Amino acid sequence: SQTIHQWPATLVQPVGSPLSLECTVEGTSNPNLYWYRQAAGRGLQLLFYSVGIGQISSEVPQNLSASRPQDRQFILSSKKLLLSDSGFYLCAWSVRGAGNTIYFGEGSWLTVV
Amino acid sequence: GENVEQHPSTLSVQEGDSAVIKCTYSDSASNYFPWYKQELGKRPQLIIDIRSNVGEKKDQRIAVTLNKTAKHFSLHITETQPEDSAVYFCAALTQGGSEKLVFGKGTKLTVNP
Repeated sequence: SQTIHQWPATLVQPVGSPLSLECTVEGTSNPNLYWYRQAAGRGLQLLFYSVGIGQISSEVPQNLSASRPQDRQFILSSKKLLLSDSGFYLCAWSVRGAGNTIYFGEGSWLTVV
Repeated sequence: GENVEQHPSTLSVQEGDSAVIKCTYSDSASNYFPWYKQELGKRPQLIIDIRSNVGEKKDQRIAVTLNKTAKHFSLHITETQPEDSAVYFCAALTQGGSEKLVFGKGTKLTVNP
């Protein structure tokens, strides 16, 4: 069966520090991969999605970036965090092809102080 | 691009009553409509989904209906229980080469015992 792992689960970072969140999917090949952000009490905002290695689409201009160095690995990064970057970050995957269910990772709580 | 509106933002019902959450979408090409349940501090989990070639789908106490002409779909929960309390998100996926879901802003459902 397929599983998705995301880490770290929680982190507190000072303003201006870098960020790296990692996500891996097991048990499948060529998945679509996604990064969503959820501010406290808010909806799910799509940040990035990828349909293949090195193929990243950005949905919202911001100081975050994403990379997909391997087929089942997705990384969310920032060079300098802002207070507004605080939130719940969710990695997700789906089988390649439109109309397939998206499954979320456990999420990473980021607090920028 | 696709836009999904979800109502109401909060819903409070008595245990045993029914709950209905409604969503509208803008892109007539959308063809996949999942519903997710998110408990506090946890990841969203798929509870039911429907595709554009189906008008209604039911799974025990949960049902979803889709009206393609009006571009709206609804979640129905019957015989609500306190454990149904959570935030519910609707989403729509467009069949336009893009493999990404657009989410509504969520409905916080509270079931009072």
